[in-house]
Amino acid sequence: GDSVTQMEGPVTLSEEAFLTINCTYTATGYPSLFWYVQYPGEGLQLLLKATKADDKGSNKGFEATYRKETTSFHLEKGSVQVSDSAVYFCALSGGAGGTSYGKLTFGQGTILTVHP
Amino acid sequence: SQTIHQWPATLVQPVGSPLSLECTVEGTSNPNLYWYRQAAGRGLQLLFYSVGIGQISSEVPQNLSASRPQDRQFILSSKKLLLSDSGFYLCAWSVTGQGVDTQYFGPGTRLTVL
Repeated sequence: GDSVTQMEGPVTLSEEAFLTINCTYTATGYPSLFWYVQYPGEGLQLLLKATKADDKGSNKGFEATYRKETTSFHLEKGSVQVSDSAVYFCALSGGAGGTSYGKLTFGQGTILTVHP
Repeated sequence: SQTIHQWPATLVQPVGSPLSLECTVEGTSNPNLYWYRQAAGRGLQLLFYSVGIGQISSEVPQNLSASRPQDRQFILSSKKLLLSDSGFYLCAWSVTGQGVDTQYFGPGTRLTVL
């Protein structure tokens, strides 16, 4: 079936540092890929998405490129802020692992803490 | 624009008591609806999803049940709560179309079973 593997973390950075959170996936077919962010005590917010190979999703300074050859969708940001501290989830939908009706397969999440 | 509501926001219940969590979506028609549980603040487990009124699919056998009495209403229930039912419950919606189903999440309900 479909699966998503992401950096375990936690990741701790200083403000203005460069961020990479790795995400790789296993799926047959042509899944769509997503990054969600969860701030403390809140639900998940869609951060960005990509629907086909070589697409780049971007939002709020974050970006990720859909790499079919390496089955990856790594999240990057050039300069993190304290307000970026949250849990980040990589997810996919639309692979052949029974993910009909938009069901998502999530990674385990990566905790990011940014210090001033 | 579409919005999704969940209530209550927090709930503390004794073991063996019943449960009813409600989720409603505004601003869209015939959404797909989902219930997730998040334990220990990390991974999400899909519990139920629904593609229409009265249509419920269960992903994980457990102590919980779901119902969809109206197009934009999704309810998570239990007759008798267990300690292991504690967690953060998230409702989400999506609309099939344009090739990509993107899920949008509600604010969540934090359930503590004592």
